[in-house]
Amino acid sequence: GQNIDQPTEMTATEGAIVQINCTYQTSGFNGLFWYQQHAGEAPTFLSYNVLDGLEEKGRFSSFLSRSKGYSYLLLKELQMKDSASYLCAVRGGSYIPTFGRGTSLIVHP
Amino acid sequence: DVKVTQSSRYLVKRTGEKVFLECVQDMDHENMFWYRQDPGLGLRLIYFSYDVKMKEKGDIPEGYSVSREKKERFSLILESASTNQTSMYLCASRWNGTPQETQYFGPGTRLLVL
Repeated sequence: GQNIDQPTEMTATEGAIVQINCTYQTSGFNGLFWYQQHAGEAPTFLSYNVLDGLEEKGRFSSFLSRSKGYSYLLLKELQMKDSASYLCAVRGGSYIPTFGRGTSLIVHP
Repeated sequence: DVKVTQSSRYLVKRTGEKVFLECVQDMDHENMFWYRQDPGLGLRLIYFSYDVKMKEKGDIPEGYSVSREKKERFSLILESASTNQTSMYLCASRWNGTPQETQYFGPGTRLLVL
């Protein structure tokens, strides 16, 4: 089976930096995805990591440590529009990703 | 741009009714998925399909069935709707290419079973 854990809710201030963690235990590993989901909308792809290290994409970066079963999503220069749920999804032994329960991020002025 | 559409955004049905949720994608993707999303539980996989006429059970298939007669269309069927099937249903598709290929999600159908 697979177990994916991420915080339920986080709050941060506009302009700040926030780090959303995801830990996982899976049988096999074939990559980790991060998705953003605004309320009432579909999840949209943010990042994919399969090798250890940091992947940077504009204000968003994603880090992976396979030996620790750990990833984080880093959001810089937070904007109000970044208020959303952030979903961590891990592909284990099959190509089907398993999703964590999501982290609801609230950005306040 | 990939487009995944779902037949309804909101649906209200009565207990015992047969319910059809339709999903269509326009990018010739081989793989299609049905999830339900509930507060505190996240996205849970109901069924997926590798290709036309193929289907596999996900983590919570009980009470559901699926149909994939054409590559672009993946239908979720609730044989006899129950109140515990009230949920947000999300369809997704994916190209069966490189491992980093993402899933593309539809806008979701919010189903209320009374």
